Amino acid sequence: DTEVTQTPKHLVMGMTNKKSLKCEQHMGHRAMYWYKQKAKKPPELMFVYSYEKLSINESVPSRFSPECPNSSLLNLHLHALQPEDSALYLCASSHGERIITDTQYFGPGTRLTVL
Amino acid sequence: DAKTTQPTSMDCAEGRAANLPCNHSTISGNEYVYWYRQIHSQGPQYIIHGLKNNETNEMASLIITEDRKSSTLILPHATLRDTAVYYCIAQTNTNAGKSTFGDGTTLTVKP
Repeated sequence: DTEVTQTPKHLVMGMTNKKSLKCEQHMGHRAMYWYKQKAKKPPELMFVYSYEKLSINESVPSRFSPECPNSSLLNLHLHALQPEDSALYLCASSHGERIITDTQYFGPGTRLTVL
Repeated sequence: DAKTTQPTSMDCAEGRAANLPCNHSTISGNEYVYWYRQIHSQGPQYIIHGLKNNETNEMASLIITEDRKSSTLILPHATLRDTAVYYCIAQTNTNAGKSTFGDGTTLTVKP
């Protein structure tokens, strides 16, 4: 299984809602990533988990809260988002021996719209 | 990590080779050159990577200049399905390295 899955594919939420994005991989990878991508822009790194521990937080606002319950799962909890947070949220994974520089395998993304 | 510079857009005729250039003049000795592509509304897809030597796989070839200041991704026989945004990234091989996607090149393969 060489696939990274993300749910849901689309999410619409209000600014007072709490929601979560889910990412799953069964490739035995030990590094997992969250990226944010605005329209017509490249992906921007948000968080990196290595061996279930948060390794990189790119100064992301606290309304985004990542969680890595186990080596196969990665969640992104969303609370009190702003309309400018509307974007495609991408999850990726890699072997984990060298975070970032290993080949990353991306999921299809969750298209988030904040009203 | 080194900054990379790519042309904004390129066209290629179907069946012909697509040559996508990337400048990384500030690349350091321990930085790999990675290429990913992103087809519209999908997640990025790994293509190929290299350090010093030229590399080839089933998708593409990567030619890195001897001084490592630039590289070229070659899709030998472009198809319409190769239309995508292609990202060139220079990444360190340390755990402190950070992946930075540049603006990429939009490749349009035309019939």
